Amino acid sequence: EPEVTQTPSHQVTQMGQEVILRCVPISNHLYFYWYRQILGQKVEFLVSFYNNEISEKSEIFDDQFSVERPDGSNFTLKIRSTKLEDSAMYFCASKRGGPYGYTFGSGTRLTVV
Amino acid sequence: AQSVTQLDSQVPVFEEAPVELRCNYSSSVSVYLFWYVQYPNQGLQLLLKYLSGSTLVKGINGFEAEFNKSQTSFHLRKPSVHISDTAEYFCAVSDSGNTPLVFGKGTRLSVIA
Repeated sequence: EPEVTQTPSHQVTQMGQEVILRCVPISNHLYFYWYRQILGQKVEFLVSFYNNEISEKSEIFDDQFSVERPDGSNFTLKIRSTKLEDSAMYFCASKRGGPYGYTFGSGTRLTVV
Repeated sequence: AQSVTQLDSQVPVFEEAPVELRCNYSSSVSVYLFWYVQYPNQGLQLLLKYLSGSTLVKGINGFEAEFNKSQTSFHLRKPSVHISDTAEYFCAVSDSGNTPLVFGKGTRLSVIA
């Protein structure tokens, strides 16, 4: 069964550094999403991406965040200057258009020290 | 905007006993409903989904859920749980085919031998 692949599985970075989280969505999917889950809390929506542009974003997705689909296969989330509170599990998801389910990757655990 | 309420943050249950995890959502004309399971230190795995049609939905691992429009509920059930069902369970909803999922806070199911 097709999977959404996320790399790395775990990343440790120093506060203030830039990080890029990578995702390879399922190849025939059209809609792409990033979510985060702070330890012990619920899964929160960050941003959705369709037709090479952001279609929706939450209040969490401020100027420190950006997304890109540079080559038609990868979907990346960049955090420009990480803060301690950015420590979380970040999930990528993709879906086909219409009434189909969302497929999630296994996540990247980001630890900011 | 949609919201999801999972009334029980923790549910302990003995092995082979039945379990129901409750989920209510805010009303909307049409909704798509999902249950995801998260095992410790892992990603989100789709258990089942309701998109349309029969209100009783069967998923993986013996779980099922019933969509009740009048009560705006989508409770998850299993007639006999196993130790391996110990995990966090998230209910999620979207308004239409492609809008971002909104998650509940999760219910921690602990199966006791």
